[in-house]
Amino acid sequence: AQKVTQAQTEISVVEKEDVTLDCVYETRDTTYYLFWYKQPPSGELVFLIRRNSFDEQNEISGRYSWNFQKSTSSFNFTITASQVVDSAVYFCALSEATGFQKLVFGTGTRLLVSP
Amino acid sequence: SAVISQKPSRDICQRGTSLTIQCQVDSQVTMMFWYRQQPGQSLTLIATANQGSEATYESGFVIDKFPISRPNLTFSTLTVSNMSPEDSSIYLCSARMGSYNEQFFGPGTRLTVL
Repeated sequence: AQKVTQAQTEISVVEKEDVTLDCVYETRDTTYYLFWYKQPPSGELVFLIRRNSFDEQNEISGRYSWNFQKSTSSFNFTITASQVVDSAVYFCALSEATGFQKLVFGTGTRLLVSP
Repeated sequence: SAVISQKPSRDICQRGTSLTIQCQVDSQVTMMFWYRQQPGQSLTLIATANQGSEATYESGFVIDKFPISRPNLTFSTLTVSNMSPEDSSIYLCSARMGSYNEQFFGPGTRLTVL
């Protein structure tokens, strides 16, 4: 069965600090997808990234970067120079690469960025 | 990115009643998904709605309680039947679309059952 673990329940940082959100996953599939979503206080779920299991290149998008390590089954998310607007709950998720591709979510990490 | 809308955005309902949530996608999709997010919790998949067939329910969710319709490739409804306070949650629909088959979510329906 698939499982996603986000061990950090809540992280508090001061603006401009860098912060890394951890995600560890379990799956028996050889191909799969990994996702990160942001849920701000308004409640909507914002898609951030999808990563294919056979693509281990790290990705950077502005202040966001993702580190995919298949050897440790981790897909960590780093926000550089955090801002107050980054305050949200961040979810890591996993899906199979075939069939329904339904998402299995981690429990989320609440990030609080204070000015 | 995709546009997924849901109606109603929120509702307060009485115990024992039913509520139907609508989900509209701005492009044709094969798979639509319904998730529940209980207060302060993560998202749990209720069912997968494939157009033209019966919805596939996850363990712990049954059709009598959460009937789903999928009449066409852009629309789905989820009904929460015979509601109790434990059904108070955010209900989100999702669809897989885009160049890379990303999964996008609607804004959610905040349901409170008194």
